[in-house]
Amino acid sequence: QVQLMQSGAEVRKPGASVKVSCKASGYTFTNYFLHWVRQAPGQGLEWLGIINTGSGDTGYSQKFQDRVTMTRDTSTSTVYMELSSLISEDTAIYYCLRERISQFDYWGQGTLVTVSS
Amino acid sequence: QTVVTQEPSLTVSPGGTVTLTCASSTGAVTSTHYPNWFQQKPGQAPRTLIYNTNNRHSWTPARFSGSLLGGKAALTLSGVQPEDEADYYCLLFYDGFLRVFGGGTKLTVL
Repeated sequence: QVQLMQSGAEVRKPGASVKVSCKASGYTFTNYFLHWVRQAPGQGLEWLGIINTGSGDTGYSQKFQDRVTMTRDTSTSTVYMELSSLISEDTAIYYCLRERISQFDYWGQGTLVTVSS
Repeated sequence: QTVVTQEPSLTVSPGGTVTLTCASSTGAVTSTHYPNWFQQKPGQAPRTLIYNTNNRHSWTPARFSGSLLGGKAALTLSGVQPEDEADYYCLLFYDGFLRVFGGGTKLTVL
């Protein structure tokens, strides 16, 4: 069965970076794009960006363009999202999400990132 | 900056019908925006209900349907059940890799 298993909760200080992973299983990894989405406490969903797991090409929201980096490791079917220069407003649950041919389907379970001094 | 707008909140009676909409600041929503709809209940990860405007996943109850209506994407719930009380989000596709979520609709079943 398809699974997207994310890494555990993280706590960082302002100005630091965080790297969250999403390990895919149950399907051919390179046949699907993976997206990263976040949700701040009590807020809506916010799209951060996308990685083409086959080519490694990425596309980022303009809001995060300067601070986010998405990578993938095809040998372990894992994608990574690194967010730098963290501020308190980056405190959120971060999700990975699968897409193919404009069809979204499976979500990861989410990773809570807390930014606090 | 592209903005996608949804009703902040809606209320529906059990057994009733309600339509949630999703508008784009760039103009009419069309099938080339490939609207996707998501449901999120408190404390849970979202789940995908509808893709490509009007296609249900295998896990999506038949009472959920997607369409284009008056220049917007729409999600209609027919025969609403108490368990449908949740937040609903649309997402639209734009040029290149850009995807944008709507602000979400809080649906109350009362």
